[in-house]
Amino acid sequence: DADVTQTPRNRITKTGKRIMLECSQTKGHDRMYWYRQDPGLGLRLIYYSFDVKDINKGEISDGYSVSRQAQAKFSLSLESAIPNQTALYFCATSDSRTGSIGTQPQHFGDGTRLSIL
Amino acid sequence: RKEVEQDPGPFNVPEGATVAFNCTYSNSASQSFFWYRQDCRKEPKLLMSVYSSGNEDGRFTAQLNRASQYISLLIRDSKLSDSATYLCVVNPGGYQKVTFGTGTKLQVIP
Repeated sequence: DADVTQTPRNRITKTGKRIMLECSQTKGHDRMYWYRQDPGLGLRLIYYSFDVKDINKGEISDGYSVSRQAQAKFSLSLESAIPNQTALYFCATSDSRTGSIGTQPQHFGDGTRLSIL
Repeated sequence: RKEVEQDPGPFNVPEGATVAFNCTYSNSASQSFFWYRQDCRKEPKLLMSVYSSGNEDGRFTAQLNRASQYISLLIRDSKLSDSATYLCVVNPGGYQKVTFGTGTKLQVIP
């Protein structure tokens, strides 16, 4: 779904490096999310943002930070990457303003494959 | 009890078979429900919403049972291209976070 764009698509880096994953969307949605996915563990929520001035921790926020620079942009940072942060990362968006608030489905970007050596 | 539970499978079925997946949830106040499809190492894609009255989209039927707190997905006349992992999603609505199940893997065999 090109409406939610993640960059980079793939990244290999070394332990201790700072990494930023970018997400931008053209859907006009107000809510944005960052997930990581590991084999057998499903999607786990890292951070989410309900609007530009709202940032919330998910279930696994330790070691990560986010910035919502604009309604359309939500970036995820790993300040000092460690090998167990190797995973597939997804950004998602949803629109809270359609129907009952907060009940609409999420739409995902293509994902970023991150490997930390 | 987990917030959302799915049988991880894999379900191995022959082409043309009918297969059904269930997903149970713990939050009785949940407002919206969805099924997503995820191909290996790809992003989850919305398959269908699940309405209280049930809904059908071609070979796919989704149902919601609020009394027993589960949703189901029925796939008729399975195709090889249906092979994927199916994720159920439960949304309390408002300002609460959405919960994804860990997925049920389907493999359709020629």
